[in-house]
Amino acid sequence: ELQLLQSGGGLVPPGGSLTLSCAASGFNFTKQAMSWLRQAPGRGLEWVSAISGSGSRVDFTYYEQSVRGRFLTSRDNSKNTLYLQMNSLRAEDTAIYYCAKGRSFLDVWGRGTTVIVSA
Amino acid sequence: EIVLTQSPGTLSLSPGERVTLSCRASESISNNYLAWYQQRPGLPPRLLIYDASHRAPGVPDRFGASGSGTVFTLTISRLAPDDFAFYFCQQYSGSPRTFGQGTTLESK
Repeated sequence: ELQLLQSGGGLVPPGGSLTLSCAASGFNFTKQAMSWLRQAPGRGLEWVSAISGSGSRVDFTYYEQSVRGRFLTSRDNSKNTLYLQMNSLRAEDTAIYYCAKGRSFLDVWGRGTTVIVSA
Repeated sequence: EIVLTQSPGTLSLSPGERVTLSCRASESISNNYLAWYQQRPGLPPRLLIYDASHRAPGVPDRFGASGSGTVFTLTISRLAPDDFAFYFCQQYSGSPRTFGQGTTLESK
């Protein structure tokens, strides 16, 4: 079964840091591009970041403009795990964060993890 | 970036009814790179349609979709109780990938 198991959310004060994890199973994680998205109350879905899989013609990592320089997406293919390191967190980063398989349409989603940035 | 506008925002319908949801793009979407998702409360989105008209594995055939250019539709031929949910479109023609604001189907 294709599955993405997320962990790492929580409450963090403004300016703090948090790292989210997304453990994949049931598919060839190594070759697969992966994405992070977020959904905040009253706001639509937002594509936060994406990272290429190995063997991609062009290696890439994408970041949405508001998180550029603050968030870092990485992957450990030996552990089939995707990470989102979030630094200098702001109140507007409060959202449910999802990892998903792919960078075009997204056919497998994690269940989401809540990040609340508040003093 | 490509802006996707969905209409209507909310629809109240009864089981068994037919419904068509609309997704309009601010510029033409190449290669019909548009997807539709369903999201039930408390759950992650579920891919229904990719490439504008292709059903994802396991999606019932009462879900159909079509469109090209800037106008796309998702049709549910006969609403089942499980279909009352939130639906949104997403384009992957351009970067950044963007999403519509969604349509809520509620049971009348």
